[in-house]
Order: sequence, then C-alpha cells, then structure tokens
Amino acid sequence: GIQVEQSPPDLILQEGANSTLRCNFSDSVNNLQWFHQNPWGQLINLFYIPSGTKQNGRLSATTVATERYSLLYISSSQTTDSGVYFCAVFYGGATNKLIFGTGTLLAVQP
Amino acid sequence: DTGVSQDPRHKITKRGQNVTFRCDPISEHNRLYWYRQTLGQGPEFLTYFQNEAQLEKSRLLSDRFSAERPKGSFSTLEIQRTEQGDSAMYLCASSQMWDSSGNTIYFGEGSWLTVV
Repeated sequence: GIQVEQSPPDLILQEGANSTLRCNFSDSVNNLQWFHQNPWGQLINLFYIPSGTKQNGRLSATTVATERYSLLYISSSQTTDSGVYFCAVFYGGATNKLIFGTGTLLAVQP
Repeated sequence: DTGVSQDPRHKITKRGQNVTFRCDPISEHNRLYWYRQTLGQGPEFLTYFQNEAQLEKSRLLSDRFSAERPKGSFSTLEIQRTEQGDSAMYLCASSQMWDSSGNTIYFGEGSWLTVV
C-alpha cells in the first residue's frame, strides 16, 4: 500500500517563527488534505490541495503531485498553532479511504 | 453548531462489556466514515457509508465491531466483548459526494474509549 511520511516528526518553535512541514507519498494520489489536530483531539481541515498552492491567513500549502510531496508553511507562529499536523491522501481508485501520514508534532512556545 | 457530532465523548468500560458510539454527520452529507486513532498514531480507516449502504470495511474491523447507518442519517458503531486493545479514540467524519471543494472530509471531536 501507499506510504505517507511526514517530516520533521516533531518541532519546537518560539512564537513568531516560521516553519515548513513536509509530506511525502510513495504513489500517485487522487487528492490530499492537511489537518491540524488540537490538544483536545479535534481534527480541523486546513487545506484540500491535490495540486498547486493555496493560502489561508498565516498558513499556506503547496502540493507537487508529479514529485509526490506537499508542503505546509506556517508563518508568524502562535501558541494556538500547537498540536499535530497530518497530511492525508486519497489513494487509488477508491476515493473513500483517507490514508493519514505519520504526523508532525508542533509545540510553539511563548 | 452544524458540524459532525459524536456521543458519548468519553466512555470507560470493563473488559467484556459492549459499547455503542453515535455519530450525527453534517446534515447534507451523504458519506460517513469511522476511523480509529491510538496515542501517537494517525487515524486509521475503519468503515465508510454512502447513504445507508456500508460500502467498505477495513480488516481492522473485526467481527466484534459492527456499524450501521439506518436511513442514511446518523450512524452507530458498536463494539462487543470489548478488549483492552480496543482503547482508542473513535472518530466519525462526513463528506458530500459532489462537494465543489473536492471530497473534503470533516471530522467530529471523537469518542474516547478506555477499556479497563
């Protein structure tokens, strides 16, 4: 099956710093989403981004499907950005199964 | 609140007991998913419904697990004869098949299960 690897596995930032999270996937995918899981377990959609670049406030994401990776940029980080960031892909002909990556644990310190 | 809602949010049960979780999806969504997440891991797919039809089940869904979605609205996930290995967070999600934003999936807050 497909492998979805994220890096770095964990990251500690000072408030105001910028960061880039990476998601590599081992096969062609139908689409890709980025999620933020807050400390209470809630998974929040950040981006649906099968290809190209999108921006939403301090966050932006880029997916290069032909090279099988996606990047999530966080600028001017805030303590509320802390949590786990997952990328997840729809793989193969069945568009109903979302395969999650290994996650990046982010801690933003004041 | 028109998001995905799950109940109960937390459940502690003794090994061998049965538990049932309920999920109410976003009202116009016809796809409903169940995932399971253990500490330090990403969510893993369990099963998926389109309207009332259960179209796919993971090998993770042993015969002690059963999911239903009567009338294509809310869904229940029942675990019979619980084992300690069933301790996890059970996540429900929904999506709209022809969502113009693509097949964006929205998750509920999860139901934490602890089997003692």
